[in-house]
Amino acid sequence: GQQVMQIPQYQHVQEGEDFTTYCNSSTTLSNIQWYKQRPGGHPVFLIQLVKSGEVKKQKRLTFQFGEAKKNSSLHITATQTTDVGTYFCAPLSSGSARQLTFGSGTQLTVLP
Amino acid sequence: KAGVTQTPRYLIKTRGQQVTLSCSPISGHRSVSWYQQTPGQGLQFLFEYFSETQRNKGNFPGRFSGRQFSNSRSEMNVSTLELGDSALYLCASRGGWRYNEQFFGPGTRLTVL
Repeated sequence: GQQVMQIPQYQHVQEGEDFTTYCNSSTTLSNIQWYKQRPGGHPVFLIQLVKSGEVKKQKRLTFQFGEAKKNSSLHITATQTTDVGTYFCAPLSSGSARQLTFGSGTQLTVLP
Repeated sequence: KAGVTQTPRYLIKTRGQQVTLSCSPISGHRSVSWYQQTPGQGLQFLFEYFSETQRNKGNFPGRFSGRQFSNSRSEMNVSTLELGDSALYLCASRGGWRYNEQFFGPGTRLTVL
């Protein structure tokens, strides 16, 4: 699978502040998925990015795929306590071997 | 539609034993993947089955094996358990070879003593 570096590992924010997590690869990615895992829960699919420079929004969440398709980011505007969890990026390998390789994740804590 | 189900949810075993975990995908989904999640190694891909055939395998020893039945249900087996096998084992299904979104089950928490 394709390795990615995800930063930061941990992030504490005050409720209402913004939050961003970054995912970087040394190689070009065919696509990248983002998942959220709540404490004690399982990963839940958020979005898939495929095109160079793609930007997708889901309410307060904005996802970007870099022009070179080597990095991606997730930005949350005005965090809420419901945003608490670990956010993972996961490139999906192309071709017949469809393997998701998860980044190490960013654990977000939102302080009320 | 019912989600992905995994049984059992919790399991305690001792070193040297073997264990079988079960996963029922979302109805109609033919692809099932297995992942191991630990605090130290994170989420790691074990293998994927599609139409009863293993399509892809991660970097795990041969003690980890799996299979898929004609109804798409899948089982994962770990033989000769080691302490380091303690983890949350997650199963995920997707609709087909052209569908990328993975739907995860709640996982089986395995503790090896």
